[in-house]
Amino acid sequence: QQQVKQSPQSLIVQKGGISIINCAYENTAFDYFPWYQQFPGKGPALLIAIRPDVSEKKEGRFTISFNKSAKQFSLHIMDSQPGDSATYFCAATPTDSWGKLQFGAGTQVVVTP
Amino acid sequence: EAGVAQSPRYKIIEKRQSVAFWCNPISGHATLYWYQQILGQGPKLLIQFQNNGVVDDSQLPKDRFSAERLKGVDSTLKIQPAKLEDSAVYLCASSLTDFISYEQYFGPGTRLTVT
Repeated sequence: QQQVKQSPQSLIVQKGGISIINCAYENTAFDYFPWYQQFPGKGPALLIAIRPDVSEKKEGRFTISFNKSAKQFSLHIMDSQPGDSATYFCAATPTDSWGKLQFGAGTQVVVTP
Repeated sequence: EAGVAQSPRYKIIEKRQSVAFWCNPISGHATLYWYQQILGQGPKLLIQFQNNGVVDDSQLPKDRFSAERLKGVDSTLKIQPAKLEDSAVYLCASSLTDFISYEQYFGPGTRLTVT
């Protein structure tokens, strides 16, 4: 069963717009929530990550918002650029299974010029 | 710093044949992971090594898949015999350890096509 549910499956945004990807989870033991970016023919690369003791983390144009009570977290890409066109995966790992990442199904983001 | 190396990058085999993938992690990384990524899905962990010991292989189809990490450095993943549903990208990742640093560094993957 999929432990991390991700939506939407794909999205198209204009250059300069905001991309928003949402993830939800059920396992309350999850305590680390990374986002990975994957370009075609490449492996995923860590983009940004958050722990449940904070509600928001920002790195450049990328922001994670975390809602512990709702068991949801989201990635916001501000001022989207064509170079941001990629597949984004949310993931989570529980305290009792260090490093065992559970990935969402992925969101393909296309930024049009 | 060199990244995670994998070979081959592509492999096409017929069903019931065997295949092996090789991974060399980042130097000094104690933890090594093999993932299976089916088209349109997120990576799924197959096996996790800490040095040369297996930490988790609960999702490895042990009737046909095997993996080893001799000497705690590079690793091989083998499929024998392959099935059509094994067509996927096989990703190798490594991290410093599984309890100090969560960041996993992924290799480019091996794309396997089973016909």
